[in-house]
Amino acid sequence: ETGVTQSPTHLIKTRGQQVTLRCSSQSGHNTVSWYQQALGQGPQFIFQYYREEENGRGNFPPRFSGLQFPNYSSELNVNALELDDSALYLCASSLATGLGSYEQYFGPGTRLTVT
Amino acid sequence: DQQVKQNSPSLSVQEGRISILNCDYTNSMFDYFLWYKKYPAEGPTFLISISSIKDKNEDGRFTVFLNKSAKHLSLHIVPSQPGDSAVYFCAASLTTDSWGKLQFGAGTQVVVTP
Repeated sequence: ETGVTQSPTHLIKTRGQQVTLRCSSQSGHNTVSWYQQALGQGPQFIFQYYREEENGRGNFPPRFSGLQFPNYSSELNVNALELDDSALYLCASSLATGLGSYEQYFGPGTRLTVT
Repeated sequence: DQQVKQNSPSLSVQEGRISILNCDYTNSMFDYFLWYKKYPAEGPTFLISISSIKDKNEDGRFTVFLNKSAKHLSLHIVPSQPGDSAVYFCAASLTTDSWGKLQFGAGTQVVVTP
């Protein structure tokens, strides 16, 4: 069984640029969630995708957008980068059933630094 | 608005003793709670969970207790082992709404000493 993978591991961008982060879900999972973890804080929910559609969004501006592909891999796109976007970005996959999808399995994260 | 709080940023415990991690929440609608463990350079790993219809759930050395009236949950690790040294996150969700939206606390760094 392949776990959740993310790329790249580290990334340095300049303020105002755009970035795309990638995630490959665990085999058999149909749901992916993205989280932002700032230093010293817990992960903050950005949004979730289920069957290629957004299924819930946290308190993040529209310049944070995402995609989920038919093979359940996913992308997080951030436009007009700001210094405060510097954080660890975590992707988590899960299997949604009729009872919900509560236990999420996380990738190792992408460390984004905005200068 | 921090709805899940872990007020102890760190905890040091001797090997073999009990580790008790605490978590408080403010939203009484939360109905599912989880604990995750995180090692450096790795993503959080699911540890144990509890539904709001229960007050206790055990899995090996790990037990989670839920006190709904106090909006408080705790994780007990018995006995603590050196490999338990990690950051522990408490998370809560509202399964009837956006069930994938986990709200995390800030974490507690646990150090298990020999």
